[in-house]
Amino acid sequence: DAKTTQPPSMDCAEGRAANLPCNHSTISGNEYVYWYRQIHSQGPQYIIHGLKNNETNEMASLIITEDRKSSTLILPHATLRDTAVYYCIVREQLYSGAGSYQLTFGKGTKLSVIP
Amino acid sequence: GAVVSQHPSRVICKSGTSVKIECRSLDFQATTMFWYRQFPKKSLMLMATSNEGSKATYEQGVEKDKFLINHASLTLSTLTVTSAHPEDSSFYICSARTGTGKSYTFGSGTRLTVV
Repeated sequence: DAKTTQPPSMDCAEGRAANLPCNHSTISGNEYVYWYRQIHSQGPQYIIHGLKNNETNEMASLIITEDRKSSTLILPHATLRDTAVYYCIVREQLYSGAGSYQLTFGKGTKLSVIP
Repeated sequence: GAVVSQHPSRVICKSGTSVKIECRSLDFQATTMFWYRQFPKKSLMLMATSNEGSKATYEQGVEKDKFLINHASLTLSTLTVTSAHPEDSSFYICSARTGTGKSYTFGSGTRLTVV
């Protein structure tokens, strides 16, 4: 079962920052937080991931609370092409020699960017 | 970056026939690949974990004799839907773990329609 809770939908005005929240109150110390998005009828696209520290890349920023029980994905300047379902996923850290670890998807947040 | 190629992108087949879907890692070796299924307006559901050179691990409720998975090389995993029925119509997506295992890349998906 997914370990995360996200709002089912959100709207954001084009050009504004989109802030997508995610609760993961049962996360353990070695579990990463991943964010993916899925545009209709396509495979999920990787956005960003983090463990404890905030992360930033060319697509987005990830803010993780100090207790790690929640996080926020920030798209700094949303465009119409950012309209998609955004998935927040908790995955256990891979250690050398360990078995495989998979991503378990929850229901995600459907983000609609409005002109 | 890591690319996963999935083929075909869409296929229509008659009831009772079998369909093979290929998932290739183009610029990296993938010892582990994952197969997901997605119904309309639903989230991705993990079907099985495919391990190179060994048997796949199926999730509970997934029929291994119906969904045959072969991972014969480090760059190719195949999913064969055997004796397909209309209820098997769905969006099938593969994924591969990349690099150190902290990132996952998804294929573009295969839309299967059984008539």
